[in-house]
Amino acid sequence: QQQVKQSPQSLIVQKGGISIINCAYENTAFDYFPWYQQFPGKGPALLIAIRPDVSEKKEGRFTISFNKSAKQFSLHIMDSQPGDSATYFCAASNDGGTSYGKLTFGQGTILTVHP
Amino acid sequence: KAGVTQTPRYLIKTRGQQVTLSCSPISGHRSVSWYQQTPGQGLQFLFEYFSETQRNKGNFPGRFSGRQFSNSRSEMNVSTLELGDSALYLCASSLVAGTYNEQFFGPGTRLTVL
Repeated sequence: QQQVKQSPQSLIVQKGGISIINCAYENTAFDYFPWYQQFPGKGPALLIAIRPDVSEKKEGRFTISFNKSAKQFSLHIMDSQPGDSATYFCAASNDGGTSYGKLTFGQGTILTVHP
Repeated sequence: KAGVTQTPRYLIKTRGQQVTLSCSPISGHRSVSWYQQTPGQGLQFLFEYFSETQRNKGNFPGRFSGRQFSNSRSEMNVSTLELGDSALYLCASSLVAGTYNEQFFGPGTRLTVL
């Protein structure tokens, strides 16, 4: 019930291409969906987040698409750059009850952008 | 503004020992969460503290414990270490407890259990 499934596990994209990472969740109580980027030796850093009252959110080259009925959300990275090469995690949480502070993470996607 | 700091950055322990990890949140942040990151299990929530109170706990054995001090700094302790406890332990702070508050992660403490 608490799982978040992320795909693909790894992704190779050419510079300038579009990177797409997908996540699916089970718990309909989730109401906050952030994406994190992690470089080797660093902690995860928030990229962009969405709440289920909107279907899309864009910040620069990063866009989250959200499909509440399908319980799926995805990250699109436009004009991918070699500097985007990192591990990306989707996550979900719900606000209320005893769920404070708990993010449930997907398994991560290793993105490699070739020059 | 300084980010989340974690000490030590690296630790090597042997089975059966215990270990204490420290986390200093961003100034003004009152909520601190801890996560364990391993290649096999990914990022898993350990517990969350707010105003010195544990508000939430993940599915980990009682060997994992934590506390938060009045200045919001937090420590986590793992007793009777097992090989499977080898992991990157991440601390994250946010302004207040609850969602919609961005969690800022520290660089982590890499624990190796031999």
